[in-house]
Amino acid sequence: DQQVKQNSPSLSVQEGRISILNCDYTNSMFDYFLWYKKYPAEGPTFLISISSIKDKNEDGRFTVFLNKSAKHLSLHIVPSQPGDSAVYFCAAPHYGQNFVFGPGTRLSVLP
Amino acid sequence: DAEITQSPRHKITETGRQVTLACHQTWNHNNMFWYRQDLGHGLRLIHYSYGVQDTNKGEVSDGYSVSRSNTEDLPLTLESAASSQTSVYFCATSLRTSGFEQFFGPGTRLTVL
Repeated sequence: DQQVKQNSPSLSVQEGRISILNCDYTNSMFDYFLWYKKYPAEGPTFLISISSIKDKNEDGRFTVFLNKSAKHLSLHIVPSQPGDSAVYFCAAPHYGQNFVFGPGTRLSVLP
Repeated sequence: DAEITQSPRHKITETGRQVTLACHQTWNHNNMFWYRQDLGHGLRLIHYSYGVQDTNKGEVSDGYSVSRSNTEDLPLTLESAASSQTSVYFCATSLRTSGFEQFFGPGTRLTVL
């Protein structure tokens, strides 16, 4: 079975600084992980993914790191902007083509 | 542009009533999913479908049902609404052969009184 933990329910950072959001998973059988961003009253939107053949994937200000031995993912946002304030969900594969989502981390970027 | 629509966006109902939430997609994706979002739990999978006439139970399927008669629609039915089903419901789709990323609808906020 797959469990996903995001141990920080919330995080506040200053505009321009780095935001680091963490995620831990339990089942390493699968090899593709996703990050989603969610604004209030909207559906989650896909942000960035990483395959286990890589340990890093970068897309503009967003970088995801994968530590397979520790079963740990992290999302780095540099530099953080007020528009990045949202809830971020990590998702790890489950059976079939399903994903298990973490509980989310609420990021607040302060001007 | 392709999209996912959910209706209604907000619904208030009473305990014991049957409620159906609609999800319609124009992505032509094989896979469709229903999730509920509750504080502290993230997104939990209710039911999913990998194609027409295919439906499967997810993590929290008790009290819910779905049917898939075409590619575009996966309605979610609460057979007898309970207060514990007060939540925000999201429909999502993905394309079997491409990356598995799921695309989400805008959500339906359901309140059961």
